[in-house]
Amino acid sequence: DAKTTQPTSMDCAEGRAANLPCNHSTISGNEYVYWYRQIHSQGPQYIIHGLKNNETNEMASLIITEDRKSSTLILPHATLRDTAVYYCIVSDNAGNNRKLIWGLGTSLAVNP
Amino acid sequence: EPEVTQTPSHQVTQMGQEVILRCVPISNHLYFYWYRQILGQKVEFLVSFYNNEISEKSEIFDDQFSVERPDGSNFTLKIRSTKLEDSAMYFCASSPHSQAKNIQYFGAGTRLSVL
Repeated sequence: DAKTTQPTSMDCAEGRAANLPCNHSTISGNEYVYWYRQIHSQGPQYIIHGLKNNETNEMASLIITEDRKSSTLILPHATLRDTAVYYCIVSDNAGNNRKLIWGLGTSLAVNP
Repeated sequence: EPEVTQTPSHQVTQMGQEVILRCVPISNHLYFYWYRQILGQKVEFLVSFYNNEISEKSEIFDDQFSVERPDGSNFTLKIRSTKLEDSAMYFCASSPHSQAKNIQYFGAGTRLSVL
């Protein structure tokens, strides 16, 4: 089972920041937080990941709480093309078994 | 930008028939995966493959399923005798070797319809 919980759905106005929360209270010390998204009828797409520090790339920012029990994905200026299901996944990077365990994610609707 | 390609995009088959879903992972990637997603449900892990052998497989990946990397570029998923419940999107993914990250790159998927 997935080790994360996310709200089922969220709305965001186009051009505004989208803040997507994720709880991972049972995360272990060597597990990273990964975010992927799945635009309708497409394959999942990697967005960003982090261990304990906040991270930023060209797609998004990731804020991880100090106790690492929750995180927030921030899309700073959401566009209509950001409408998708967003998945928060915890995974370690060790060994050869690197399966991703998916939950139901958050369905983000960006509205004009 | 390199990408994972999957063929065909849609496969229709009769129950009991064998199907082979094909994937070309990103070259120089070392880890390969198959996932499936039944319509409206979660993405589910099927199998991971590294160093020419299966690293891990899920309960879904029973004796009807097999994977192969026949020629160093293709990565295939075979379902020996398809069942109605095998109807789903099948996603192939690959990732490079890295101790620092487990970023998986996904193909667009093959929609399998078993009639």
